[in-house]
Amino acid sequence: EAGVTQSPTHLIKTRGQQATLRCSPISGHTSVYWYQQALGLGLQFLLWYDEGEERNRGNFPPRFSGRQFPNYSSELNVNALELEDSALYLCASGIRQDTEAFFGQGTRLTVV
Amino acid sequence: RKEVEQDPGPFNVPEGATVAFNCTYSNSASQSFFWYRQDCRKEPKLLMSVYSSGNEDGRFTAQLNRASQYISLLIRDSKLSDSATYLCAVNTPSGTYKYIFGTGTRLKVLA
Repeated sequence: EAGVTQSPTHLIKTRGQQATLRCSPISGHTSVYWYQQALGLGLQFLLWYDEGEERNRGNFPPRFSGRQFPNYSSELNVNALELEDSALYLCASGIRQDTEAFFGQGTRLTVV
Repeated sequence: RKEVEQDPGPFNVPEGATVAFNCTYSNSASQSFFWYRQDCRKEPKLLMSVYSSGNEDGRFTAQLNRASQYISLLIRDSKLSDSATYLCAVNTPSGTYKYIFGTGTRLKVLA
């Protein structure tokens, strides 16, 4: 069974540009979570999608947004990129909100 | 106070030692609890869920103390390959719910 897949693996953007990151959950999982992990820091909760709806978001500015598609895959968009947005972006999926979540390998975003 | 807190370590222990980590959480209504392992520059991998009655998986034992609001992870007979960062995750009501991770505890097992 395929795990959570994220694309691209690496992404380099310049300041002010937009980045789009993609996530495909494990088959049968309807919940998708997004996290940001800056170098040497912990996982910061970004967004939670379930059944196509945004259920919760963390303390990030509105330029971080996303959506979940009918097939439960998800997209994270970061507008007006800043240097501090450079981080590993991790996506995780779960069956529902109170069960364990499984992570993809992440997208390493570098803003120059 | 942070929603989920862990001692960052590092914990340096010899092979074969027993080591324990704690993770405290601030919201008593938190529902579910998990331990993950993260190797350098890799994604976190689920180690185990933490059940109210405590649970064991080989050399690893997880416990939940709701009264004191912490979870613990005990690793017995440490191996070199156990060297990693151990993250706790708590499913916390905040608006709806969200998984909050601790910043992780670094473990280094020494030969």
